[in-house]
Amino acid sequence: GQQVMQIPQYQHVQEGEDFTTYCNSSTTLSNIQWYKQRPGGHPVFLIQLVKSGEVKKQKRLTFQFGEAKKNSSLHITATQTTDVGTYFCAGQGYQKVTFGIGTKLQVIP
Amino acid sequence: SAVISQKPSRDICQRGTSLTIQCQVDSQVTMMFWYRQQPGQSLTLIATANQGSEATYESGFVIDKFPISRPNLTFSTLTVSNMSPEDSSIYLCSVDGTDTTDTQYFGPGTRLTVL
Repeated sequence: GQQVMQIPQYQHVQEGEDFTTYCNSSTTLSNIQWYKQRPGGHPVFLIQLVKSGEVKKQKRLTFQFGEAKKNSSLHITATQTTDVGTYFCAGQGYQKVTFGIGTKLQVIP
Repeated sequence: SAVISQKPSRDICQRGTSLTIQCQVDSQVTMMFWYRQQPGQSLTLIATANQGSEATYESGFVIDKFPISRPNLTFSTLTVSNMSPEDSSIYLCSVDGTDTTDTQYFGPGTRLTVL
């Protein structure tokens, strides 16, 4: 079945440092979505990538979708304490969405 | 966008009992999804609930354990039956967005602890 691997599982950074989380799917995806879950909260949709090689930006966040539509990354430039949370990718395969395990980001002030 | 509410927000239950979780959406949606998020883990899809038909369960989840109702286009319930401590999780309902961005919206979740 479809598997979505996400690394790293945990990341501690100093405020101002950059952060990247990576997702790899065992199968080609029709799209990939990214979510952020704050501690104690529920997942909140950030973005969806659909096209091969697509790059989207949201302020300090840059999202990429690989050419083969099997991998994706989320990069945060100059992290802030408000970036704390767990970032999940979710790959849309045939008839189902599979979530990665998530990357828990801790930002040290 | 879609605004989703869930009841209860949390509960502590005894082993062997059952709990029904309600999910209400502020707009009509075709598909509603139920997820489980065990402590510190990712989200696992339990089932997809379509109005007017039986829910579709993912591998490892069965109707006897997680019966689902979908009486209309804005409401669904998930029952966790004959609970054990291993069922302690956050249960989230989710819907697809009705706008063009194809987003997926999550409810606030129900935090269940089984003693």
